[in-house]
Amino acid sequence: ELKVEQNPLFLSMQEGKNYTIYCNYSTTSDRLYWYRQDPGKSLESLFVLLSNGAVKQEGRLMASLDTKARLSTLHITAAVHDLSATYFCAVDIGISNFGNEKLTFGTGTRLTIIP
Amino acid sequence: DSGVTQTPKHLITATGQRVTLRCSPRSGDLSVYWYQQSLDQGLQFLIHYYNGEERAKGNILERFSAQQFPDLHSELNLSSLELGDSALYFCASSVGQINTEAFFGQGTRLTVV
Repeated sequence: ELKVEQNPLFLSMQEGKNYTIYCNYSTTSDRLYWYRQDPGKSLESLFVLLSNGAVKQEGRLMASLDTKARLSTLHITAAVHDLSATYFCAVDIGISNFGNEKLTFGTGTRLTIIP
Repeated sequence: DSGVTQTPKHLITATGQRVTLRCSPRSGDLSVYWYQQSLDQGLQFLIHYYNGEERAKGNILERFSAQQFPDLHSELNLSSLELGDSALYFCASSVGQINTEAFFGQGTRLTVV
């Protein structure tokens, strides 16, 4: 059974600082997704990582994927308050051509940016 | 706005009752997925439909069932509700091809009292 672990679970950081969220998974996969969720809201897709060594950046967020280490990272640069949210990684091990059959989510990292 | 529409947004019902949650996928998406989010279980995959056919099942209870209709909207039926079924239920949709991302609806918050 696929296990997806994120750490830390909670992260409180000051504005302007850098930090990294880690996502480890237990089964071979080369498809990993990062989502953001604001309290009581839906999940917003941030990044889609589809190959070993994939790196994507959007604003102050950068995600990478190392399929050999079964590890993805979400790096936050010069954090601002607006980035406060819960961040989830999700791994897809489905082999179907019909989409994300078994997207398994990590536990989430609740990020709080302190002014 | 992801383009995935879920109704109702909130639902309060008593134990033992049955409810139906509805999801309209993004235009053109053939795949619909249902997820349950609770404090103790996190985000759990329930079931996936593609173009009307069930494609995969996750941790879905026997009291729960789903279907996808010819117009591609989907319904999740929850019966004999228990207090522990209280959760946020998300629907997501995707084009339905490998390596495509899923887009999530706003969710239905179900409270069982």
